[in-house]
Amino acid sequence: NAGVMQNPRHLVRRRGQEARLRCSPMKGHSHVYWYRQLPEEGLKFMVYLQKENIIDESGMPKERFSAEFPKEGPSILRIQQVVRGDSAAYFCASSPNRETEAFFGQGTRLTVV
Amino acid sequence: SQQGEEDPQALSIQEGENATMNCSYKTSINNLQWYRQNSGRGLVHLILIRSNEREKHSGRLRVTLDTSKKSSSLLITASRAADTASYFCATEPVQGAQKLVFGQGTRLTINP
Repeated sequence: NAGVMQNPRHLVRRRGQEARLRCSPMKGHSHVYWYRQLPEEGLKFMVYLQKENIIDESGMPKERFSAEFPKEGPSILRIQQVVRGDSAAYFCASSPNRETEAFFGQGTRLTVV
Repeated sequence: SQQGEEDPQALSIQEGENATMNCSYKTSINNLQWYRQNSGRGLVHLILIRSNEREKHSGRLRVTLDTSKKSSSLLITASRAADTASYFCATEPVQGAQKLVFGQGTRLTINP
C-alpha cells in the first residue's frame, strides 16, 4: 500500500505562471488535507476536502488559490499567477475518515523565480 | 502567540543523552501529535496522544499530556545521530476536527 503520493516533488515557476500540485491519497482514503510550510516555520492548514466536496477552506488565501478532489483522480491544489511569496513546501495528507490520524506525503517544493 | 508552540526552538545534545521538547497550546483538543521532519523532507508521524491519555510510549519515545496546563512533552531517550531533525507538535482542536495546528518546531541536533 503506497503512501500519500505528491508530484511533482519540486516545481519552479516564473512570477505570473500557474502552479498545479497533485496529491494521490493512500488507497481507501477519501479525506485529503493541504498544508503549506514557509521556510523555517511549521505547517499551516489550508484546506480539507472529501471526494468532490470542500469541507473546510478557512486556511486558503481568498484569491489565486483553489483546490479540488474529483471523484476520479488526484486532488489538485492550483495557484494562479504565482508570486514570490508563494514559494513554500506544500504538503498533502490523507485519512480514511475524520477520526483517524492523517498520513502526510513528501511534499511539493514550489519555487517562484 | 500561536497554538502549538514548541520549546526550545533549538536543542543540541551529545549522542546518548536524553532530549526533551515541550509544546504548549491554547484551545481544547481531541488529540496531540508529534511529527519529525528531516531537513527538506516530508513529515514522519511519531506518536498520537488523545486528550483522555496522560502518557504514551513508543520505543525510545515518551510523550506526556497535561490538559490542565495545556502542554505536552516529547522525550527521546538514548539519542542517536539519526535523531537529528526538526520535531513538531500538532494539535487537533475540538472545534475543527482534522484541522491540525502545528507549532514552529524544535530543531534537534545530536552531536556524535
